Amino acid sequence: EAGVAQSPRYKIIEKRQSVAFWCNPISGHATLYWYQQILGQGPKLLIQFQNNGVVDDSQLPKDRFSAERLKGVDSTLKIQPAKLEDSAVYLCASSSDDTYNEQFFGPGTRLTVL
Amino acid sequence: QQQVKQSPQSLIVQKGGISIINCAYENTAFDYFPWYQQFPGKGPALLIAIRPDVSEKKEGRFTISFNKSAKQFSLHIMDSQPGDSATYFCAARAESPSSASKIIFGSGTRLSIRP
Repeated sequence: EAGVAQSPRYKIIEKRQSVAFWCNPISGHATLYWYQQILGQGPKLLIQFQNNGVVDDSQLPKDRFSAERLKGVDSTLKIQPAKLEDSAVYLCASSSDDTYNEQFFGPGTRLTVL
Repeated sequence: QQQVKQSPQSLIVQKGGISIINCAYENTAFDYFPWYQQFPGKGPALLIAIRPDVSEKKEGRFTISFNKSAKQFSLHIMDSQPGDSATYFCAARAESPSSASKIIFGSGTRLSIRP
């Protein structure tokens, strides 16, 4: 089966600019996650969708980050305006609804904010 | 409470040796403990996982040892190979207040296997 697709793979922007990332999960996976992975750290969950509804966005900096999942499939994560500390890899993952919901990760988008 | 503490931060092992990575947690509500392997430029991939009612799980050269009373678990890689060089993350699953489960990751161990 095809894996989780993400684009772009790399993005360099100036601080205060806006940026958007796109994710296409594995077909049929109801749950979609966005993670932020700062260099040298483990992934940190930003937001979790179940179909097209948000089930956990407790760690999403809502003053600058937003995410949506239209029609319960693709998702976009936006940062506006970006700060230097937003430099990180943004990972998208998806899972089915089995008991231990293994998460399958995409390759990530590496964001550099200058 | 929601943290998973991982050590060491980096590890160098000779080819054929045993690599050991340790993790500890506080939250007794965690009910699933996966290990992820991440190569440069790739997303993490599930390597092996264990539930707290089991003390050990082995898959090929990879073994998880789980000590529920100590709230610790570890990954052992036997006969380590250069292809095992990667970053390894331990993790734990917790039910969030919204009733959706989420994975909490350790800080990672960068493993290098010397030929």
